[in-house]
Amino acid sequence: GAGVSQSPSNKVTEKGKDVELRCDPISGHTALYWYRQRLGQGLEFLIYFQGNSAPDKSGLPSDRFSAERTGESVSTLTIQRTQQEDSAVYLCASSLDFEVGGYTFGSGTRLTVV
Amino acid sequence: SQQGEEDPQALSIQEGENATMNCSYKTSINNLQWYRQNSGRGLVHLILIRSNEREKHSGRLRVTLDTSKKSSSLLITASRAADTASYFCVSSGSARQLTFGSGTQLTVLP
Repeated sequence: GAGVSQSPSNKVTEKGKDVELRCDPISGHTALYWYRQRLGQGLEFLIYFQGNSAPDKSGLPSDRFSAERTGESVSTLTIQRTQQEDSAVYLCASSLDFEVGGYTFGSGTRLTVV
Repeated sequence: SQQGEEDPQALSIQEGENATMNCSYKTSINNLQWYRQNSGRGLVHLILIRSNEREKHSGRLRVTLDTSKKSSSLLITASRAADTASYFCVSSGSARQLTFGSGTQLTVLP
């Protein structure tokens, strides 16, 4: 597609439930990143994919968080047993490659855990 | 923490004035990028400067990079009310990880 697409745009879930967030990067972009932005704070790196491998998972805050990517296409971020502190905007970005140009960000998924 | 620092955290100026924001980072980088984020919206890429460059211009934007001090500055000339947003610097190092600064909230008063 023309841009990075994320779905859903908004998600309200009950504490303890699992959620799955989806990111469709720009076609041909090999690098894909997930970030989290809590209210009033800067962006927090979660995980990075090069193709379908994730060389850097250091940002995942706990083992309740996991992510997958199919080839150089769609990625899903799964949060199990959600907690209120998981409430944030989850942003996905992609680029041709890490070394090339800027990154295109999706508009994010606003997750609210009640 | 790998997070960079932006200075100032908040800046308020009159339309037509210049706005200067600074950013510091902690590790060696391949490039540094500046992004803008309007309230409630996504990030927009503004400009990228490579580690072997010292200054770069794009329209009303001027970015400088001092790798010896691990710092960068973003200058917006002749500011407009529409420039009101949060501005983030993003450093990219060999670890293939983007490190975001905490952002500068710029308010341009009409």
